[in-house]
Amino acid sequence: RKEVEQDPGPFNVPEGATVAFNCTYSNSASQSFFWYRQDCRKEPKLLMSVYSSGNEDGRFTAQLNRASQYISLLIRDSKLSDSATYLCVVGVPQSSASKIIFGSGTRLSIRP
Amino acid sequence: DTGVSQDPRHKITKRGQNVTFRCDPISEHNRLYWYRQTLGQGPEFLTYFQNEAQLEKSRLLSDRFSAERPKGSFSTLEIQRTEQGDSAMYLCASSPSGNQPQHFGDGTRLSIL
Repeated sequence: RKEVEQDPGPFNVPEGATVAFNCTYSNSASQSFFWYRQDCRKEPKLLMSVYSSGNEDGRFTAQLNRASQYISLLIRDSKLSDSATYLCVVGVPQSSASKIIFGSGTRLSIRP
Repeated sequence: DTGVSQDPRHKITKRGQNVTFRCDPISEHNRLYWYRQTLGQGPEFLTYFQNEAQLEKSRLLSDRFSAERPKGSFSTLEIQRTEQGDSAMYLCASSPSGNQPQHFGDGTRLSIL
């Protein structure tokens, strides 16, 4: 089982739709959680951190469910510019450091 | 621009040659990471540094790969005797500490002929 798993998609949705991604992680000791976005042939860019109480940034909402070991990302009122790959990232404590693990990403395509 | 910078952006070389990439992290960041990414996959961890100390190396990092961060600032990643399978995007990232988000450079795209 992969340490961080995501549905690879692609998700193809019309502009204005709401879309949600889930990501599951295997290590219950994971402490930090992030969503990154990556455009084609570009570097990953931080979209948002994910906090225990859930957090929102404009049209984006992130949730953490520690009991079921998954995080989610909800995008409301999707725009053409939201088309990208969304990477789930989990930090796992290891001795004195943290190990950062990336999922393989979920591809999102927004159509006009 | 005070973000993470990587050099070169692209490298094309023949199989068997040695290549070296450079990464300059955000200046106040102690952590520096190297990743490799191939098409359709997320970044795969290679190694990371806390200041000048290399704290972890992935099993992906064969003997042909070596990384240094001699003064705790910039880092280099060298691949010796390159193979076809080394073709990938090599990404560098930095962060203030282990639990804080990483900031990525533009990457170096390596193509082995």
